[in-house]
This record gives sequence, C-alpha cells and structure tokens, in this order.
Amino acid sequence: DTGVSQNPRHKITKRGQNVTFRCDPISEHNRLYWYRQTLGQGPEFLTYFQNEAQLEKSRLLSDRFSAERPKGSFSTLEIQRTEQGDSAMYLCASSWPQAERDAAVSYNEQFFGPGTRLTVL
Amino acid sequence: GQQLNQSPQSMFIQEGEDVSMNCTSSSIFNTWLWYKQDPGEGPVLLIALYKAGELTSNGRLTAQFGITRKDSFLNISASIPSDVGIYFCAGRANTGNQFYFGTGTSLTVIP
Repeated sequence: DTGVSQNPRHKITKRGQNVTFRCDPISEHNRLYWYRQTLGQGPEFLTYFQNEAQLEKSRLLSDRFSAERPKGSFSTLEIQRTEQGDSAMYLCASSWPQAERDAAVSYNEQFFGPGTRLTVL
Repeated sequence: GQQLNQSPQSMFIQEGEDVSMNCTSSSIFNTWLWYKQDPGEGPVLLIALYKAGELTSNGRLTAQFGITRKDSFLNISASIPSDVGIYFCAGRANTGNQFYFGTGTSLTVIP
C-alpha cells in the first residue's frame, strides 16, 4: 500500500496523559498536513510542513500540541496533558510540491490517511 | 477562519437519481477539491479543480469551479448504494497553503 498511513488508528487515554500519533506520507510527497475533525464537521487545518520545515500553524494548535517532521519523511503529532475536548479524529494528508503546468495555475492535491481516532476519558 | 457553506446538509434519494450539491465561500479561491468520506476513514479525493469555469468529470461525478471563484458544484449521476457517505468540498485561496473544508453533505441512497 503506497498511500498515507497513520498509527495508531484508535487511541483511548485518560485526561491529563500525553499521546503521540504518527503519519507516514506518500513517499514522493514533500508536503505534509495535520487536520482535526470532530463529529459532524469538516477537517480543520492544524499545521503544515514542507520537508522538515513547519511553515504554518493554526490558532487551533495550542501550546499543548506539537508536531515534528525531523527528517522530512514521517511526522508525529503530540498532545500533552490531554483534555476531553481533544477527542476527535486526527487526519494527516500529503501532497506533491505545488506544480505549475502553466503560468497561471498551480496544482496542489492533498491525499489523506485513514486518521487516528482519539478518545479522552 | 474561513467558512465554507456547503448545502444541502443531507440528502435522501432513490437509487438511480441524480444528486447535486454546492459549496460557497466568502473569499476567492484558486483551488477547489471534492472529497468523499466513509465512517471512520479519511477523506478520499474525488475531483480537483483549478480554473474558474472548469468542468471536470470522474466517472459518474462531475464538478465545476464557479465563474465567480467563490463557489463550486458537484453532481453525481445515476446514484448507486455505494455512493453513500459524506461529501466535503475544500478550497484554497491564493495566499497560503491552507485548505478550508465545508461542513459536508451526507448522502443516503435508498435501494
């Protein structure tokens, strides 16, 4: 399977514990994104990496959240001191560099992994 | 953040019927993506649109990039039971790399 993979698929933890999720993007993709999705909502952007550089962070990403992509391949998302409000599906997506087929258009398609479902008790 | 209004919120249709859904934004976008998500899974990319007015098909699915660049439409023809799921639009503005997602359209196909 050459798609985006995420581990674990499910995580149940007690409030106050730390959790870490892993994302392995499609191997040729240099861009990696983290999203959070709650029930009945669309994915919400958390952060974005180009290679190992974290280029954008959402205001949703509080100081309890940290993401890394140390070698520009896989990425980890850590949540410290989890709260019940952190319960959600955490999605990872990857994409090619933004290619330009002509001067006016740039291409940037994101492919998602299966997600990690976090439940904080 | 950016809000995308997606409608309808839910649809219940008979197998074989056509489906239309749309997405509107308050800002101009240069990219529209349409995804389908099954319960407990990540979204799967269906169609990508990059030019105003562009009409793109993927099998029974057809999507259009609105002329105003503030909306997009997805049509499904001759629906089948496996079309059941939640459909999301996502848009990206000229500045930044962030995609904003709609709240989804839940589709139920009655055999």
